[in-house]
Amino acid sequence: GDSVTQMEGPVTLSEEAFLTINCTYTATGYPSLFWYVQYPGEGLQLLLKATKADDKGSNKGFEATYRKETTSFHLEKGSVQVSDSAVYFCALSGRRGGGGADGLTFGKGTHLIIQP
Amino acid sequence: KAGVTQTPRYLIKTRGQQVTLSCSPISGHRSVSWYQQTPGQGLQFLFEYFSETQRNKGNFPGRFSGRQFSNSRSEMNVSTLELGDSALYLCASSFGQGGGYTFGSGTRLTVV
Repeated sequence: GDSVTQMEGPVTLSEEAFLTINCTYTATGYPSLFWYVQYPGEGLQLLLKATKADDKGSNKGFEATYRKETTSFHLEKGSVQVSDSAVYFCALSGRRGGGGADGLTFGKGTHLIIQP
Repeated sequence: KAGVTQTPRYLIKTRGQQVTLSCSPISGHRSVSWYQQTPGQGLQFLFEYFSETQRNKGNFPGRFSGRQFSNSRSEMNVSTLELGDSALYLCASSFGQGGGYTFGSGTRLTVV
């Protein structure tokens, strides 16, 4: 079945450092890929997405490129802030059955801590 | 535009009881899916509904069930609650295939 693998952390960085969170996936067909962020006590917020190979999703300074050849969707940000501290989830949506949405398969989540 | 609304936010139940959680999707969204989040297992897919039909189901026992109404609102039910059912239950809605899923704030269920 479909699966998503990501580093679990915690990942601790200093403010203004460069961030990479690795994400690789296994899926049949051509899934859509997502990064979600979860702040303490809250639900998930969509950070960015990509629906086909070589697409780059971007939002709030975060970027990720859909790499079909390496089955990866790594999250990057050039300069992190304390407010970026949260748990980040990589996810995919398979295309089973056609039509409508198919649910999400999540990675375990990466706890990111940014120190001032 | 209103987001995904889940009620109640918090719930405490006793082992053996049953519980019903509610989810109202974003207006116009026809797909609703449910997830269980626990520290040990992370986020696990429960089931997904589209136009009142269950399209996919995760690997959960039959005690977990759900339904979707004609206005796209969805409910999930857990019968004969066990301590291990304590979790954050998240609902997400989507307009259709390949789109982004918008999540609600979740229902925190504690089984004692």
